Amino acid sequence: QKEVEQDPGPLSVPEGAIVSLNCTYSNSAFQYFMWYRQYSRKGPELLMYTYSSGNKEDGRFTAQVDKSSKYISLFIRDSQPSDSATYLCAMSANNQGGKLIFGQGTELSVKP
Amino acid sequence: DAGVIQSPRHEVTEMGQEVTLRCKPISGHDYLFWYRQTMMRGLELLIYFNNNVPIDDSGMPEDRFSAKMPNASFSTLKIQPSEPRDSAVYFCASSWGPFMAFGSGTRLTVV
Repeated sequence: QKEVEQDPGPLSVPEGAIVSLNCTYSNSAFQYFMWYRQYSRKGPELLMYTYSSGNKEDGRFTAQVDKSSKYISLFIRDSQPSDSATYLCAMSANNQGGKLIFGQGTELSVKP
Repeated sequence: DAGVIQSPRHEVTEMGQEVTLRCKPISGHDYLFWYRQTMMRGLELLIYFNNNVPIDDSGMPEDRFSAKMPNASFSTLKIQPSEPRDSAVYFCASSWGPFMAFGSGTRLTVV
């Protein structure tokens, strides 16, 4: 079993829809939770991060962490065609010195 | 800040040849990572360094792969000899704390 599980999709939604992307994990030591966005033929770029449990909002994006369920989510409101990309969750424990464990990535397509 | 810089962007080589990928991390970042990405396996960590010292190379697939970091501003990943199954996108990343930044990657094709 992988430490981090993420449905690879692909996920296709109409413009304006609310998108929900999710990951589950098995290592209870994880404390830092990130979402990276990767456009085609580009490197992943950090989109959002959350430390421990709770919610964090940044514009149309909301990241949620539920440590009791070992489950994290990224919500995108009013999705735009420019949001079409692969979204990767990533996480690390305090003592792993920056090493991140990545999910498989979910490919999202937002249709105009 | 120019970000993490990788070269070359694309590399096409024949099986059996030596391939060297290069990376310049962000100044001040104390960790450097080499990842490989394929459709089948996603993003795989190959090796990472802390303050130029290799910490974990358990992800390096075989002895054909080697990585060095002679100083804080430069790292190489070498494959010798290369094989078609090495075809992938190789990313270098650097980090300070838990925040990691990636380069644009090197797309390697071994024919």
